[in-house]
Amino acid sequence: DSGVTQTPKHLITATGQRVTLRCSPRSGDLSVYWYQQSLDQGLQFLIQYYNGEERAKGNILERFSAQQFPDLHSELNLSSLELGDSALYFCASSVGGAGGRNEQFFGPGTRLTVL
Amino acid sequence: GNSVTQMEGPVTLSEEAFLTINCTYTATGYPSLFWYVQYPGEGLQLLLKATKADDKGSNKGFEATYRKETTSFHLEKGSVQVSDSAVYFCALRPNFGNEKLTFGTGTRLTIIP
Repeated sequence: DSGVTQTPKHLITATGQRVTLRCSPRSGDLSVYWYQQSLDQGLQFLIQYYNGEERAKGNILERFSAQQFPDLHSELNLSSLELGDSALYFCASSVGGAGGRNEQFFGPGTRLTVL
Repeated sequence: GNSVTQMEGPVTLSEEAFLTINCTYTATGYPSLFWYVQYPGEGLQLLLKATKADDKGSNKGFEATYRKETTSFHLEKGSVQVSDSAVYFCALRPNFGNEKLTFGTGTRLTIIP
């Protein structure tokens, strides 16, 4: 158990809908990362937050957005869903901090299926 | 940009066989290198890492050496077990700038008794 929790574990929805994925980082970790694992794109970095602020952006679609709340949990919002958004979405957390290059601990993932 | 090229799978071996999964990378500077493992139905777990050239990461009988001259970080294990069956990902992280991990495509390993 990495200490990173993600809910829900599975999500099935229809095209055009909007969903929210939630992540709680390990106690004390300030950085949260979101990754998408799909069959055609592999594992890709989406976005990173550090202590409530966006720190880095990867291949995140405009239909997707994220935020990190004052209690440090994070939510990834996916809207106008398409079949190709079906994937496993991972959250990871690390201690973070200026100049920090700390290990990222991964949650168990949320499997999204868009029908 | 940064990229990781990983040996295509799937790989099937008999128990106690020797394992090598190849990984090469392209990056500016000197990134940190990682091997992650994903067991069925679970998230990614860090298996081992190396942060500079010639470092050897090791864990649970697995080893990988950071070879700057060949830009490689091949994963090896001398005697695999059925419990090693999983998907293995090679990854790099820059040592400057953003902290995102760039992953290879993953190699599915199946060990048969």
